[in-house]
Amino acid sequence: KQEVTQIPAALSVPEGENLVLNCSFTDSAIYNLQWFRQDPGKGLTSLLLIQSSQREQTSGRLNASLDKSSGRSTLYIAASQPGDSATYLCAVRPVDSNYQLIWGAGTKLIIKP
Amino acid sequence: DTEVTQTPKHLVMGMTNKKSLKCEQHMGHRAMYWYKQKAKKPPELMFVYSYEKLSINESVPSRFSPECPNSSLLNLHLHALQPEDSALYLCASSRPQLITEAFFGQGTRLTVV
Repeated sequence: KQEVTQIPAALSVPEGENLVLNCSFTDSAIYNLQWFRQDPGKGLTSLLLIQSSQREQTSGRLNASLDKSSGRSTLYIAASQPGDSATYLCAVRPVDSNYQLIWGAGTKLIIKP
Repeated sequence: DTEVTQTPKHLVMGMTNKKSLKCEQHMGHRAMYWYKQKAKKPPELMFVYSYEKLSINESVPSRFSPECPNSSLLNLHLHALQPEDSALYLCASSRPQLITEAFFGQGTRLTVV
């Protein structure tokens, strides 16, 4: 059974720092992995989608990597800003998923001005 | 346009009321989803429609009744809910191929009193 873990559960850093959020999954049979951002009480914003055949994707200050064989993905945020404060969730789409996304519990990120 | 629009944003209803949540997308996506999210938890899949047909019902109680009247609209009809059904209800859409990105709406915050 696929399980997704995100470490740390919470992270607080000063503005301007580069930081890495981690996501690990137990079964490498996935179609893709998606990173989302969620502000308190709001919906989910898709940040990056990495297909199983890809190693990384970049969007602005965000870079996501995927190592399918080791079951790991990282989300790198460069030059963090207070507006980056949110909960970041990763989700994998297993090959046998039938539309399911398997979610991590999220990392709550606070960027201090 | 990568927008999924949900209405209303907030809803308070009594346990004897009947109400509906609405979701709309104009991205041409033929897979649409309802998720339920409790505080500090990841989303839980409720229903999936593929090509306007219900393809997944994750053992959701019958007091929740989904409807997909056309390829752009998804409704969730609510009747005789319980206080424990209070949550953030999220709609999502994607192309029906499993390799594609899922886009979420901003959610409806439902409170059952």
